[in-house]
Amino acid sequence: QVQLVQSGAELRKPGASVKVSCKASGYTFIDYYIQWVRQAPGQGLEWMGWINPNSGGTNYPQNFQGRVTMTRDTSISTVYMELSWLTSDDTAVYYCARTGLRFGEILQLDSWGQGTLVTVSS
Amino acid sequence: SYELTQPPSVSVAPGKTARITCGGNNIGTKSVHWYQKKPGQAPVLVVYDDTDRPSGIPDRFSGANSDNTATVIISRVQAGDEADYYCQVWDDRSDHLVFGGGTKLTVL
Repeated sequence: QVQLVQSGAELRKPGASVKVSCKASGYTFIDYYIQWVRQAPGQGLEWMGWINPNSGGTNYPQNFQGRVTMTRDTSISTVYMELSWLTSDDTAVYYCARTGLRFGEILQLDSWGQGTLVTVSS
Repeated sequence: SYELTQPPSVSVAPGKTARITCGGNNIGTKSVHWYQKKPGQAPVLVVYDDTDRPSGIPDRFSGANSDNTATVIISRVQAGDEADYYCQVWDDRSDHLVFGGGTKLTVL
């Protein structure tokens, strides 16, 4: 069955960086995009960007440009999301999720990781 | 950028039907997906491509999409359906994903 397993909780100080991993299994890794979505306490779901595991291509929204980097290691079916220059506003649960493609259209997020809590505090 | 608007909250009595809306400019021309989010759990896809259900999702969940409003419809609501619900689309102009602000469903 499809599984996305994320790395464990992280505690960082303001100004630091964090790198969260997402290991995929149960499907052909390069056939599906991976999205990153976060949820801050009491807030809604916020999209952070996607990575194409086949090409390594990425797409980030404006509010994360320059601060987020998504990479992948196809040899171990794992994608990474690194967020830098952390502030307390980045305290959130971070999720990876799988999406397919249909004639260039990004489809639904059909499988999700369990989430990784990142806490930013001095 | 494309925006989706959801009501902050919807309340419904057990056994009744809940309708949660998602507004967007010409959203009827897009594929809308819906997620259920419970505290401490990852989101779960409950409706995709406007009206389809993933395997394992009860047929009490359905969807509609027309003009400027998409709707997820939950029939015979149960206490276990209490959760936040989010709509989502793909904006083809920016190649970005967009989420609605979420709707808290309360079962009275």
